[in-house]
Amino acid sequence: DTEVTQTPKHLVMGMTNKKSLKCEQHMGHRAMYWYKQKAKKPPELMFVYSYEKLSINESVPSRFSPECPNSSLLNLHLHALQPEDSALYLCASSQSGDLWDEQFFGPGTRLTVL
Amino acid sequence: KQEVTQIPAALSVPEGENLVLNCSFTDSAIYNLQWFRQDPGKGLTSLLLIQSSQREQTSGRLNASLDKSSGRSTLYIAASQPGDSATYLCAARISGGGADGLTFGKGTHLIIQP
Repeated sequence: DTEVTQTPKHLVMGMTNKKSLKCEQHMGHRAMYWYKQKAKKPPELMFVYSYEKLSINESVPSRFSPECPNSSLLNLHLHALQPEDSALYLCASSQSGDLWDEQFFGPGTRLTVL
Repeated sequence: KQEVTQIPAALSVPEGENLVLNCSFTDSAIYNLQWFRQDPGKGLTSLLLIQSSQREQTSGRLNASLDKSSGRSTLYIAASQPGDSATYLCAARISGGGADGLTFGKGTHLIIQP
């Protein structure tokens, strides 16, 4: 298995909702990442987990809360989002988190906040 | 702060032509540079990874080069096909701050005319 899977593919939520995005990989990778991509813009890093340890991007609002239950699974919990948070959320993984590792991306979750 | 620039922003060529996409970065202290392909509304497909110690990588009709001293990378596509139409993103891996991820260029939107 050489892929990163993400669910759901599409999500529409209101500003008062609580929802979660899920990412899974079975390549034995020990680093996982969340990126956010606005329309016609490049992806921007949000969070990194390496060996289940979180590195936080300081510019990410607290309404985004990542969770790494185990080395294969990465969640992004969403609460009280704003319409400007609508974007494609991409998950990626790499073998060990070393800076020389190749990153592999999932298909993304298209999020719309009403 | 690392900045990654891609030229041109858009390119349209007839099928069968060879073409070059350009990527430049401001901080030569990169660990690697990765080229991706992104189809509309989809995730990122990794095409080639060049480590900082390497000069080039090849995969099929694709060849990527890296010149750290000048802060440049190129992606060469031989014998282009309509199926190559997509947005091509380059991304530099750097170390710094609280999170170590990829810094992306804005991409080159490529159209191959049948």
